[in-house]
Amino acid sequence: DAKTTQPPSMDCAEGRAANLPCNHSTISGNEYVYWYRQIHSQGPQYIIHGLKNNETNEMASLIITEDRKSSTLILPHATLRDTAVYYCIVRVASGSARQLTFGSGTQLTVLP
Amino acid sequence: DAGITQSPRHKVTETGTPVTLRCHQTENHRYMYWYRQDPGHGLRLIHYSYGVKDTDKGEVSDGYSVSRSKTEDFLLTLESATSSQTSVYFCAISVGTISGANVLTFGAGSRLTVL
Repeated sequence: DAKTTQPPSMDCAEGRAANLPCNHSTISGNEYVYWYRQIHSQGPQYIIHGLKNNETNEMASLIITEDRKSSTLILPHATLRDTAVYYCIVRVASGSARQLTFGSGTQLTVLP
Repeated sequence: DAGITQSPRHKVTETGTPVTLRCHQTENHRYMYWYRQDPGHGLRLIHYSYGVKDTDKGEVSDGYSVSRSKTEDFLLTLESATSSQTSVYFCAISVGTISGANVLTFGAGSRLTVL
């Protein structure tokens, strides 16, 4: 599975959009980009995933660059409850569970 | 909510004692996983299961065993707990999506302290 690089921390004002970047320059053509988040002391929570096209769901939007070497998770109107560690992962759809690696992620702090 | 329940949620035990953590799911998903999470290490895969009685090791399997005698339950056992196994343990299941990708749904975690 491709390695990802994320900034260790970011701040965002409440009500503003939070844009979390992820670099995955070695991504393969059949690897998906997944985003999860983990609120303190809770289990990780799936947010969104995509392959090539931009995706949007009720939680967030995922923007993937045309060359697929990076992506951005957008929380359109961040709230205090969005404070969490956000993990970007790339992985083939049918990949072994042993290859699913959660790195250090980005600690997003939403400020009042 | 995929209906994952972990038990116990908190446990304190002494070195050398056996400990079993249980993960229960209600939706008959085939794949189940046990992770541990420690400061500075992120989530690390201990063992996973791809069906009843079908299990395999993850990256940190030493000192742990698992069993899956029925689809809904995946048990993680520490035969003789050590202080290095003090951690938060998360169970997860793999859920398929329309796109063909599989996403993980996690339980709430079991916090184990080995004194």
